[in-house]
Amino acid sequence: EPEVTQTPSHQVTQMGQEVILRCVPISNHLYFYWYRQILGQKVEFLVSFYNNEISEKSEIFDDQFSVERPDGSNFTLKIRSTKLEDSAMYFCASSEAEIRYSTHYGYTFGSGTRLTVV
Amino acid sequence: AQTVTQSQPEMSVQEAETVTLSCTYDTSENNYYLFWYKQPPSRQMILVIRQEAYKQQNATENRFSVNFQKAAKSFSLKISDSQLGDTAMYFCAFMKWTGNQFYFGTGTSLTVIP
Repeated sequence: EPEVTQTPSHQVTQMGQEVILRCVPISNHLYFYWYRQILGQKVEFLVSFYNNEISEKSEIFDDQFSVERPDGSNFTLKIRSTKLEDSAMYFCASSEAEIRYSTHYGYTFGSGTRLTVV
Repeated sequence: AQTVTQSQPEMSVQEAETVTLSCTYDTSENNYYLFWYKQPPSRQMILVIRQEAYKQQNATENRFSVNFQKAAKSFSLKISDSQLGDTAMYFCAFMKWTGNQFYFGTGTSLTVIP
């Protein structure tokens, strides 16, 4: 079963530092996503990415955040200057197509990166 | 705006018994998708079942079935013959027909007791 791989599984960073979270989506997938889950809260959408550009983003995804697909296999989320409230589990996901055109039932999620800002 | 509500933060069930997890949602959309995702301790979110709103027939996947009541905006998940491996957090989620963004509920933590 193909998987979405996220590294590292846990990252601790100092407040104000830049952090890059890495994801390797499933190889034939074309749509990529980031979600986050603050401890005890619901999973929230951050951004979707298709054809090398952002297709949709939420209010959470402000100028501190950016995404990139630097080499055709990795999909990264960068937080420029981390704040304490950025501490959360970050999930990457991918899908082969928009859900309404997809032969697969939904996204494939990774196992997440737990980001702790101290 | 779309909202998804799961009113049961925690539930437990005896192994081999049946359990129903509740989910309600609010939307002004007429067509959309509803999903149940499972998040075991390994943290990876795994699709359990999906329902298209235009379909009247309730979706089923082996031991998992839904009760979709469109007028009531209710989408409950029934797990039959519960197994220890069903222990996980279960998230109900909504997606617009033309969208790619999930709106998740807060989750229900299910424990299957041997």
